[in-house]
Amino acid sequence: GAGVSQSPSNKVTEKGKDVELRCDPISGHTALYWYRQRLGQGLEFLIYFQGNSAPDKSGLPSDRFSAERTGESVSTLTIQRTQQEDSAVYLCASSLFRTSGLEGIQYFGAGTRLSVL
Amino acid sequence: QQPVQSPQAVILREGEDAVINCSSSKALYSVHWYRQKHGEAPVFLMILLKGGEQKGHEKISASFNEKKQQSSLYLTASQLSYSGTYFCGTERRDGGSQGNLIFGKGTKLSVKP
Repeated sequence: GAGVSQSPSNKVTEKGKDVELRCDPISGHTALYWYRQRLGQGLEFLIYFQGNSAPDKSGLPSDRFSAERTGESVSTLTIQRTQQEDSAVYLCASSLFRTSGLEGIQYFGAGTRLSVL
Repeated sequence: QQPVQSPQAVILREGEDAVINCSSSKALYSVHWYRQKHGEAPVFLMILLKGGEQKGHEKISASFNEKKQQSSLYLTASQLSYSGTYFCGTERRDGGSQGNLIFGKGTKLSVKP
């Protein structure tokens, strides 16, 4: 597609439920990133994928968070047993490669706004 | 080691200039600047790769001082469309951190008519 696409754009869930957030990266981009943005805060790195390499999960806040990506296509971020503190906008970004320089420029989707009641 | 942005917020009148700073405690390879309008995705503005290098984007330019581990974003003759939150993303010089951006908390810029 022309840009990074995320779905759903909004998700309201009850505490304790599981949620799945989807990200379609720009076609041909090998690197994919997930970030969390709490209200009025910066972008908190969660996880990154590069081709078939092992993902960098160093930013995941707890074992309730997981993500998958098949090859260089769609990625799914799953949050199990959601808590109120999980409420935030979850942003996905992709880049041509995970590298320094112009090929590492990240392009963001519009995000999924998650509200846990 | 999140970079520190200053100021946290700034209000301008149309046509005024502003400077947003981004400082890191770690040696940097590059600095990326993004702008995010309310409810929208962050949009890439520019990347600074070398010490002291300045890049420009319309009336927005930036500098990167490797030695001081900081970058500054310059907005000249601000327009209403410049309103938004500006984030710097820093890339450390460590080999394992290549391509991994750590973002600052952002600077909220409001341009009034």
